[in-house]
Amino acid sequence: QVTLRESGPALVKPTQTLTLTCTISGFSLGTTGMCVSWIRQPPGKALESLARIDWDNEKYYSTSLKTRLTISKDTSKNQVFLTMTDMDPVDTGTYYCARMSYTSGWNAFDFWGQGTMVTVSS
Amino acid sequence: DIQMTQSPTSLSASVGDRVTITCRANQTISNFLNWYQQKPGRAPNLVIFGASSLQSGVPSRFSGSGSGTQFTLTITSLQPGDLATYYCQQSYSTPRTFGQGTKVEI
Repeated sequence: QVTLRESGPALVKPTQTLTLTCTISGFSLGTTGMCVSWIRQPPGKALESLARIDWDNEKYYSTSLKTRLTISKDTSKNQVFLTMTDMDPVDTGTYYCARMSYTSGWNAFDFWGQGTMVTVSS
Repeated sequence: DIQMTQSPTSLSASVGDRVTITCRANQTISNFLNWYQQKPGRAPNLVIFGASSLQSGVPSRFSGSGSGTQFTLTITSLQPGDLATYYCQQSYSTPRTFGQGTKVEI
């Protein structure tokens, strides 16, 4: 079955760089049409798409955050990485990775990880 | 970026009620509209994709409609397990954007 699992530090200091890992199983980012996105959610607030990487290594970023974000993948290890630079307390929240498939479901996020909570504080 | 606006932001209903949530896009998105249910402390779960298609495993009391810029999620006969926040999301263009959410209280 399809699963995604986020991992990374629970606490980062302001100005530091955050690196998160999404480990996938049940599908491959080497398969045409498969994509993985990072989405975050501040406490009590709405969901916000951050970045997406596609099977062909195309990358897409949030308009407002693109200068701080880098998404990459290691297809052989079934992992997707997100780095976010210059972290600030407003970046505190739960970070999710989710699958999108061009081959099914109108490009919806059909599988999600459980999320990882990141707190930005000195 | 395409802006998604949901209404209402919250609602309170009783078990058995019919509940309707509206989502509006600020430009046409065809049928590229998806709905997610997020229960407290949990990750979002896909409920409706392509504006009106029910995701596998989701109860048939959930339905979606609309196209272009205006969409609706309907829950017929609300159940206690439907307590959640519901988000719409457009998958027409990048970056994907979400509505601000509608909290459904029982």
